[in-house]
Amino acid sequence: QVHLVESGGGVVQPGGSLRLSCEASGFTFRSYGMYWAREAPGKGLQWVAFIRYDGSNAYHVESVKGRFFISRDNVKNTLYLQMNSLRVEDTGTYYCAKDLGAHYDILTGNDYWGQGTRVTVSS
Amino acid sequence: QSVMTQPPSASGTPGQRVTISCSGGSSNIGINYVHWYQHFPGKAPKLLIYRSKLRPSGVPDRFSGSKSGTSASLGISGLRSEDEAVYYCAAWDDSLRGPVLGGGTNLTVL
Repeated sequence: QVHLVESGGGVVQPGGSLRLSCEASGFTFRSYGMYWAREAPGKGLQWVAFIRYDGSNAYHVESVKGRFFISRDNVKNTLYLQMNSLRVEDTGTYYCAKDLGAHYDILTGNDYWGQGTRVTVSS
Repeated sequence: QSVMTQPPSASGTPGQRVTISCSGGSSNIGINYVHWYQHFPGKAPKLLIYRSKLRPSGVPDRFSGSKSGTSASLGISGLRSEDEAVYYCAAWDDSLRGPVLGGGTNLTVL
């Protein structure tokens, strides 16, 4: 049974930092690309970042480049999102998601998602 | 502004068939698969269609996907009240070297 459990969300002031984690189980974590997406209040879903199965390549959406950093530990089966210089517009629920296909460099569909962790950036 | 364009809303009556479109470009839909997600705000999204037309196990065959050129569509037949949700198309974009999402279509079952 595949499980993705996010943690690390909370309330932070603008300019602050948070580190989100996504603990994975039930599949061979090191074989799958992983994603972070977010749902902002009253807005739609947005991709935040992607990391290749072996961690050798990553993508960050333009609005978070230079502030957020995706990483993974294939020994601990954990995905991370380091979020720095947080802005009010970063507020939302952050989801981690697993890619469907193993050893792919591109999106093949996200078959499992975590339940999300809430991030609130407010003064 | 999203790289891929979806109508912001769609509607239908129970039992009807609705189609949701997704318009992209040569660097995303034109050369890569399209995937569709069902999202109830506040809940985890659910994969409905992958590789443009395949359904994961457990997804009813009322849901179907197709792709032609730089456009794709999601079809929902036998519309039910529980289908009322937001639907997103997604694809890999070779120019951005990352994933892209449509803006989402809010489906209302009248």
